[in-house]
Amino acid sequence: GAGVSQTPSNKVTEKGKYVELRCDPISGHTALYWYRQSLGQGPEFLIYFQGTGAADDSGLPNDRFFAVRPEGSVSTLKIQRTERGDSAVYLCASGQFYGYTFGSGTRLTVV
Amino acid sequence: SQQGEEDPQALSIQEGENATMNCSYKTSINNLQWYRQNSGRGLVHLILIRSNEREKHSGRLRVTLDTSKKSSSLLITASRAADTASYFCATDAEETSGSRLTFGEGTQLTVNP
Repeated sequence: GAGVSQTPSNKVTEKGKYVELRCDPISGHTALYWYRQSLGQGPEFLIYFQGTGAADDSGLPNDRFFAVRPEGSVSTLKIQRTERGDSAVYLCASGQFYGYTFGSGTRLTVV
Repeated sequence: SQQGEEDPQALSIQEGENATMNCSYKTSINNLQWYRQNSGRGLVHLILIRSNEREKHSGRLRVTLDTSKKSSSLLITASRAADTASYFCATDAEETSGSRLTFGEGTQLTVNP
C-alpha cells in the first residue's frame, strides 16, 4: 500500500487478556520495526524484521511479547497476559536507510 | 541520561519566528534523523543527515550535525501555527546499523498565531 497501516487504531483490553496488533507495511519494504511509546516519551525500539525473520528482538521487554512476520509483509505483535504497564501507543514502521515511514499506531489501554 | 536527548523540552514562539531545537547523543552514528509527531500518533520523517555531513536543508528546515560534540540542531524558519507538534531526533548507531533508531524524548513546539 501507499503507507503503513496499523489496526486496530485503539484497543481496550482487560488485564490478563491476550491481544494482537497488526501492521501492514509499505509494499516491497523488507525492513519492518515495532516501537512502543509511552505518554511524554520518545518511541522505544521493540523488534526489527528483515524479511520474515526477526533480525533483532532485543527490545522486547519480556517473554509475554512476541511478533511474527510469516510471509515477509504483514506483521503481528502479540502480547500475552497483558498488564496495565503495557498501556502505550504501539508504532510500526517500514523502510530503513533513508528514513522510516511510520503507521498511525495502535493505542493500547489495559484496564 | 539517554541517547538522543532534546533540548528544550518545550518551546513556545510566535508565528513568523524561528524555532531551534537541539539534540545530543552518545555513540558513534551512521546518521541522525528528525521526526515530527502530531497528537501522539504516527511520526513523520523530516530529514536525515549522515555522519559525514555537517549541514542539510529542506524547505524551511535546516539541520546541522557536529559529530565531535555529538550534537545536532533543527532550525525551522518563519514558523507557522501548523508547525505545532512534537519533534524528535533519532540516531542510527554504527553498532546497530539499520536495525533500530534510538529516539530522544522530544521537544514540544507551540507556534502561536
